Amino acid sequence: RKEVEQDPGPFNVPEGATVAFNCTYSNSASQSFFWYRQDCRKEPKLLMSVYSSGNEDGRFTAQLNRASQYISLLIRDSKLSDSATYLCVVNTGRNTGFQKLVFGTGTRLLVSP
Amino acid sequence: DTGVSQNPRHKITKRGQNVTFRCDPISEHNRLYWYRQTLGQGPEFLTYFQNEAQLEKSRLLSDRFSAERPKGSFSTLEIQRTEQGDSAMYLCASSQQGQPQHFGDGTRLSIL
Repeated sequence: RKEVEQDPGPFNVPEGATVAFNCTYSNSASQSFFWYRQDCRKEPKLLMSVYSSGNEDGRFTAQLNRASQYISLLIRDSKLSDSATYLCVVNTGRNTGFQKLVFGTGTRLLVSP
Repeated sequence: DTGVSQNPRHKITKRGQNVTFRCDPISEHNRLYWYRQTLGQGPEFLTYFQNEAQLEKSRLLSDRFSAERPKGSFSTLEIQRTEQGDSAMYLCASSQQGQPQHFGDGTRLSIL
């Protein structure tokens, strides 16, 4: 079983749609959680950190359920520019000094006009 | 540009050759990470530096791989006797303690 599992997609949605991605992780001792965005043949870029209380950044909402070891990302009012691969990332480092990031394979999103 | 910088952007080499990549982190970041990413996969952790000390190495880092960060600033990743399976994107990231990692745009390695 992979440490971080995501549906690879692709998710094909029209502009303006709401889309949700889910992710599960296996290491219950994981310290922190992130969503990164990666465009084709580019580097991953931090989209947002994920907090236990849930957090929102504009059209993006992230949720964490530690009991179920489940992370989600909701994108509202999708834009063409949201087309990318969304990577679920879990920090399994044992202390605050070392972030050992484990990445999912990513979920590909395609937003069409 | 004050982001993480990697050189070269692309490297094509014949199997068996040695290659070296360079990473210049964000200047105030004392933590530096190397990752490898193959097509259709997320990045996989290779190694971690805190200042000049290499504190963590993945089992993915075979003895053909070596990384250094001699003055706690830039880092190099060398692959000796390259193999077909080494073809990948090599990504460098840096961070401050407790803060998210920021990635460079990577070096794409192709082994002929």
